[in-house]
Amino acid sequence: DVVMTQSPLSLPVTLGQPASISCRSSQSLVYSDGNTYLNWFQQRPGQSPRRLIYKVSNRDSGVPDRFSGSGSGTDFTLKISRVEAEDVGVYYCMQGTHWPPAFGPGTKVDIK
Amino acid sequence: EVQLVQSGAEVKKPGESLKISCKGSGYSFTSYWIGWVRQMPGKGLEWMGIIYPGDSDTRYSPSFQGQVTISADKSISTAYLQWSSLKASDTAMYYCVRQGSSTSCCDYWGQGTLVTVSS
Repeated sequence: DVVMTQSPLSLPVTLGQPASISCRSSQSLVYSDGNTYLNWFQQRPGQSPRRLIYKVSNRDSGVPDRFSGSGSGTDFTLKISRVEAEDVGVYYCMQGTHWPPAFGPGTKVDIK
Repeated sequence: EVQLVQSGAEVKKPGESLKISCKGSGYSFTSYWIGWVRQMPGKGLEWMGIIYPGDSDTRYSPSFQGQVTISADKSISTAYLQWSSLKASDTAMYYCVRQGSSTSCCDYWGQGTLVTVSS
């Protein structure tokens, strides 16, 4: 099975400052159709997760443009350009390329 | 508006059976996969399996194969997750999700169903 790792696992941030989360997979996430099925999810405290980014860098509808995704192959990054209070929560990367799909362990983002 | 509405919280004893539900609305239920994701208390997300209501094609993560059963009734736009004999370790929040394909997770999420198994 593909193993997803994230770093850091805990990320204290200052409001208005940028933040970055790294995600790595144990195998390349390029699928046979040429797409890379790497998603990012946000789970705010007490809420269901929601998808922020799909196929590495595509923002879902309604997601603020301060969120961006990048990467290729086995290395991916989620960036928040300027952290706001509503961004507190746990962020998960997740691969859908290989069976079974798998989530990373999560990165907890909170305010310093 | 796309919605996935899950059944309410359950408290069960070990050995009991359980079936929880997820009703989709606001889209063509038979044209999208429905998946299930587990979140144990204070832990991360685990992908369990998916079903395509259009033809009932069902796929399980090896970790959950044989432990749960996923089904769907397309006539009422509802997917199900069931257990035949619950264990304390099944205590968790369970989310249903919509997937555009077997590789493309999960653009809409249900509100979650909390299952507590305790003697």
